[in-house]
Amino acid sequence: DQQVKQNSPSLSVQEGRISILNCDYTNSMFDYFLWYKKYPAEGPTFLISISSIKDKNEDGRFTVFLNKSAKHLSLHIVPSQPGDSAVYFCAASAGGNQFYFGTGTSLTVIP
Amino acid sequence: KAGVTQTPRYLIKTRGQQVTLSCSPISGHRSVSWYQQTPGQGLQFLFEYFSETQRNKGNFPGRFSGRQFSNSRSEMNVSTLELGDSALYLCASSLDGQGDGSPLHFGNGTRLTVT
Repeated sequence: DQQVKQNSPSLSVQEGRISILNCDYTNSMFDYFLWYKKYPAEGPTFLISISSIKDKNEDGRFTVFLNKSAKHLSLHIVPSQPGDSAVYFCAASAGGNQFYFGTGTSLTVIP
Repeated sequence: KAGVTQTPRYLIKTRGQQVTLSCSPISGHRSVSWYQQTPGQGLQFLFEYFSETQRNKGNFPGRFSGRQFSNSRSEMNVSTLELGDSALYLCASSLDGQGDGSPLHFGNGTRLTVT
Protein backbone atom coordinates (compact mmCIF):
# COMPACT_ATOMS: atom_id res chain seq x y z
CA ASP A 1 0.00 0.00 0.00
CA GLN A 2 1.73 3.13 -1.27
CA GLN A 3 1.10 5.84 1.31
CA VAL A 4 3.16 8.41 -0.60
CA LYS A 5 2.63 8.78 -4.33
CA GLN A 6 4.41 10.66 -7.05
CA ASN A 7 2.14 10.22 -10.03
CA SER A 8 4.45 11.76 -12.63
CA PRO A 9 7.34 9.43 -13.41
CA SER A 10 9.04 12.08 -15.50
CA LEU A 11 9.06 15.81 -16.19
CA SER A 12 10.91 17.92 -18.78
CA VAL A 13 11.43 21.65 -18.34
CA GLN A 14 13.35 24.31 -20.23
CA GLU A 15 16.32 25.86 -18.49
CA GLY A 16 15.32 29.01 -16.61
CA ARG A 17 11.70 27.99 -16.24
CA ILE A 18 9.93 26.68 -13.13
CA SER A 19 9.91 22.97 -12.30
CA ILE A 20 6.99 21.76 -10.19
CA LEU A 21 7.15 18.30 -8.72
CA ASN A 22 4.10 16.91 -6.97
CA CYS A 23 3.54 14.42 -4.20
CA ASP A 24 0.35 13.08 -2.61
CA TYR A 25 -0.05 11.16 0.62
CA THR A 26 -2.85 9.24 2.27
CA ASN A 27 -1.91 9.11 5.95
CA SER A 28 -3.20 12.11 7.87
CA MET A 29 -0.76 11.33 10.68
CA PHE A 30 2.21 12.36 8.55
CA ASP A 31 3.67 15.53 10.04
CA TYR A 32 7.15 15.85 8.56
CA PHE A 33 8.02 15.86 4.89
CA LEU A 34 11.31 15.75 3.02
CA TRP A 35 12.45 16.14 -0.57
CA TYR A 36 15.53 14.38 -1.91
CA LYS A 37 17.45 14.52 -5.17
CA LYS A 38 19.19 11.44 -6.49
CA TYR A 39 21.79 11.09 -9.21
CA PRO A 40 22.61 7.67 -10.69
CA ALA A 41 25.06 5.62 -8.60
CA GLU A 42 24.73 8.00 -5.66
CA GLY A 43 22.60 8.05 -2.55
CA PRO A 44 19.71 10.52 -2.20
CA THR A 45 20.74 14.03 -1.20
CA PHE A 46 18.53 15.99 1.19
CA LEU A 47 17.07 19.14 -0.38
CA ILE A 48 14.42 20.68 1.82
CA SER A 49 11.93 19.79 4.52
CA ILE A 50 8.65 21.03 5.89
CA SER A 51 6.71 20.24 9.02
CA SER A 52 2.94 20.16 9.23
CA ILE A 53 2.81 23.38 11.21
CA LYS A 54 3.93 25.27 8.10
CA ASP A 55 2.52 25.52 4.61
CA LYS A 56 5.65 26.81 2.89
CA ASN A 57 9.40 26.58 3.28
CA GLU A 58 12.04 28.18 1.07
CA ASP A 59 15.71 27.53 0.58
CA GLY A 60 17.29 29.39 -2.29
CA ARG A 61 15.82 28.20 -5.57
CA PHE A 62 13.79 25.50 -3.82
CA THR A 63 10.38 26.02 -2.23
CA VAL A 64 8.15 23.33 -0.78
CA PHE A 65 4.42 23.88 -0.35
CA LEU A 66 2.21 21.78 1.88
CA ASN A 67 -1.57 21.55 1.58
CA LYS A 68 -2.68 19.44 4.52
CA SER A 69 -6.36 19.43 3.66
CA ALA A 70 -5.56 18.03 0.22
CA LYS A 71 -2.75 15.83 1.53
CA HIS A 72 -0.52 17.26 -1.16
CA LEU A 73 2.92 18.77 -1.30
CA SER A 74 4.92 20.21 -4.12
CA LEU A 75 8.49 21.22 -4.78
CA HIS A 76 9.13 24.30 -6.91
CA ILE A 77 12.55 24.90 -8.46
CA VAL A 78 13.06 28.39 -9.85
CA PRO A 79 14.92 28.93 -12.09
CA SER A 80 15.60 25.40 -13.25
CA GLN A 81 19.19 24.58 -14.23
CA PRO A 82 20.61 21.63 -16.21
CA GLY A 83 22.37 20.44 -13.05
CA ASP A 84 18.95 19.94 -11.47
CA SER A 85 18.34 16.98 -13.80
CA ALA A 86 17.93 14.04 -11.42
CA VAL A 87 15.31 11.85 -9.79
CA TYR A 88 13.39 13.60 -7.02
CA PHE A 89 11.79 11.72 -4.14
CA CYS A 90 9.36 12.98 -1.56
CA ALA A 91 9.16 11.29 1.82
CA ALA A 92 6.84 11.54 4.81
CA SER A 93 6.96 10.53 8.45
CA ALA A 94 4.45 10.34 11.29
CA GLY A 95 7.23 10.92 13.78
CA GLY A 96 10.52 9.19 14.27
CA ASN A 97 12.73 7.98 11.47
CA GLN A 98 10.38 5.64 9.61
CA PHE A 99 9.89 7.51 6.36
CA TYR A 100 7.60 6.53 3.51
CA PHE A 101 8.98 7.44 0.11
CA GLY A 102 7.32 8.05 -3.23
CA THR A 103 8.52 6.26 -6.34
CA GLY A 104 10.30 9.34 -7.67
CA THR A 105 9.99 11.80 -10.54
CA SER A 106 12.78 12.03 -13.09
CA LEU A 107 13.38 15.69 -13.93
CA THR A 108 15.16 16.69 -17.13
CA VAL A 109 16.12 20.32 -17.56
CA ILE A 110 16.73 21.10 -21.21
CA PRO A 111 19.45 23.69 -21.93
CA LYS B 1 32.60 16.21 8.25
CA ALA B 2 32.64 12.84 6.54
CA GLY B 3 29.34 11.59 5.16
CA VAL B 4 27.65 8.24 5.57
CA THR B 5 29.93 5.46 4.37
CA GLN B 6 28.63 2.15 3.10
CA THR B 7 30.73 -0.87 2.22
CA PRO B 8 31.01 -2.64 -0.07
CA ARG B 9 29.66 -0.65 -3.02
CA TYR B 10 28.88 -3.74 -5.08
CA LEU B 11 28.18 -7.36 -4.20
CA ILE B 12 27.30 -10.40 -6.27
CA LYS B 13 25.92 -13.39 -4.40
CA THR B 14 24.21 -16.66 -5.24
CA ARG B 15 20.73 -17.69 -4.17
CA GLY B 16 20.76 -19.28 -0.73
CA GLN B 17 23.86 -17.46 0.46
CA GLN B 18 23.90 -14.79 3.11
CA VAL B 19 25.36 -11.29 2.99
CA THR B 20 26.41 -8.59 5.45
CA LEU B 21 26.42 -4.91 4.57
CA SER B 22 28.13 -2.24 6.63
CA CYS B 23 27.33 1.40 7.35
CA SER B 24 29.27 4.08 9.21
CA PRO B 25 27.08 7.07 10.07
CA ILE B 26 28.03 10.73 10.17
CA SER B 27 29.99 11.47 13.31
CA GLY B 28 27.62 12.37 16.13
CA HIS B 29 24.60 10.78 14.48
CA ARG B 30 23.02 8.17 16.70
CA SER B 31 20.22 6.90 14.49
CA VAL B 32 20.87 4.59 11.56
CA SER B 33 18.13 3.46 9.15
CA TRP B 34 18.22 1.01 6.27
CA TYR B 35 16.19 1.21 3.07
CA GLN B 36 15.83 -1.03 0.03
CA GLN B 37 15.40 0.45 -3.42
CA THR B 38 14.31 -1.73 -6.34
CA PRO B 39 13.55 -0.69 -9.95
CA GLY B 40 10.17 0.99 -10.18
CA GLN B 41 9.83 1.19 -6.40
CA GLY B 42 10.53 3.99 -4.04
CA LEU B 43 12.70 3.42 -1.05
CA GLN B 44 11.24 0.81 1.26
CA PHE B 45 12.01 1.10 4.97
CA LEU B 46 13.74 -1.92 6.48
CA PHE B 47 14.56 -0.91 10.05
CA GLU B 48 16.07 1.76 12.26
CA TYR B 49 18.56 1.46 15.09
CA PHE B 50 19.24 3.91 17.88
CA SER B 51 21.63 3.33 20.76
CA GLU B 52 22.17 -0.29 19.69
CA THR B 53 18.42 -1.01 19.82
CA GLN B 54 16.04 -1.58 16.95
CA ARG B 55 13.54 1.25 17.24
CA ASN B 56 11.37 0.67 14.16
CA LYS B 57 10.91 -2.16 11.70
CA GLY B 58 9.35 -2.26 8.24
CA ASN B 59 7.44 -5.07 6.53
CA PHE B 60 10.29 -7.31 5.52
CA PRO B 61 10.71 -11.01 6.33
CA GLY B 62 12.88 -12.17 9.19
CA ARG B 63 15.67 -13.02 6.74
CA PHE B 64 16.52 -9.32 6.95
CA SER B 65 18.19 -8.36 10.20
CA GLY B 66 20.52 -5.74 11.51
CA ARG B 67 22.43 -4.49 14.46
CA GLN B 68 24.13 -1.38 15.73
CA PHE B 69 27.35 -1.14 17.64
CA SER B 70 28.29 1.18 20.49
CA ASN B 71 30.05 3.53 18.04
CA SER B 72 26.77 3.81 16.07
CA ARG B 73 28.12 1.82 13.13
CA SER B 74 25.52 -0.58 11.78
CA GLU B 75 25.41 -3.81 9.85
CA MET B 76 22.59 -5.37 7.90
CA ASN B 77 22.37 -9.08 7.21
CA VAL B 78 20.27 -10.93 4.67
CA SER B 79 20.16 -14.70 4.96
CA THR B 80 19.02 -17.30 2.42
CA LEU B 81 19.21 -14.83 -0.44
CA GLU B 82 16.50 -14.82 -3.09
CA LEU B 83 16.61 -13.35 -6.60
CA GLY B 84 14.13 -10.69 -5.49
CA ASP B 85 16.62 -9.38 -2.93
CA SER B 86 18.63 -7.84 -5.74
CA ALA B 87 18.45 -4.13 -4.98
CA LEU B 88 20.25 -1.02 -3.89
CA TYR B 89 20.51 -1.01 -0.11
CA LEU B 90 20.78 2.45 1.38
CA CYS B 91 21.84 3.41 4.86
CA ALA B 92 20.87 6.75 6.34
CA SER B 93 21.87 8.45 9.55
CA SER B 94 20.37 11.29 11.54
CA LEU B 95 21.03 13.02 14.83
CA ASP B 96 18.12 11.49 16.66
CA GLY B 97 14.95 11.49 14.63
CA GLN B 98 12.40 11.44 17.41
CA GLY B 99 10.41 14.33 16.08
CA ASP B 100 13.29 16.75 16.22
CA GLY B 101 13.00 17.55 12.55
CA SER B 102 16.44 16.30 11.57
CA PRO B 103 16.51 14.86 8.04
CA LEU B 104 18.04 11.57 6.97
CA HIS B 105 21.50 11.69 5.37
CA PHE B 106 22.12 8.82 2.99
CA GLY B 107 25.20 6.93 1.92
CA ASN B 108 25.80 5.92 -1.69
CA GLY B 109 24.41 2.47 -1.12
CA THR B 110 25.44 -1.12 -1.69
CA ARG B 111 24.29 -2.63 -4.98
CA LEU B 112 23.45 -6.29 -4.29
CA THR B 113 22.94 -8.67 -7.19
CA VAL B 114 21.67 -12.17 -6.47
CA THR B 115 22.18 -14.75 -9.23
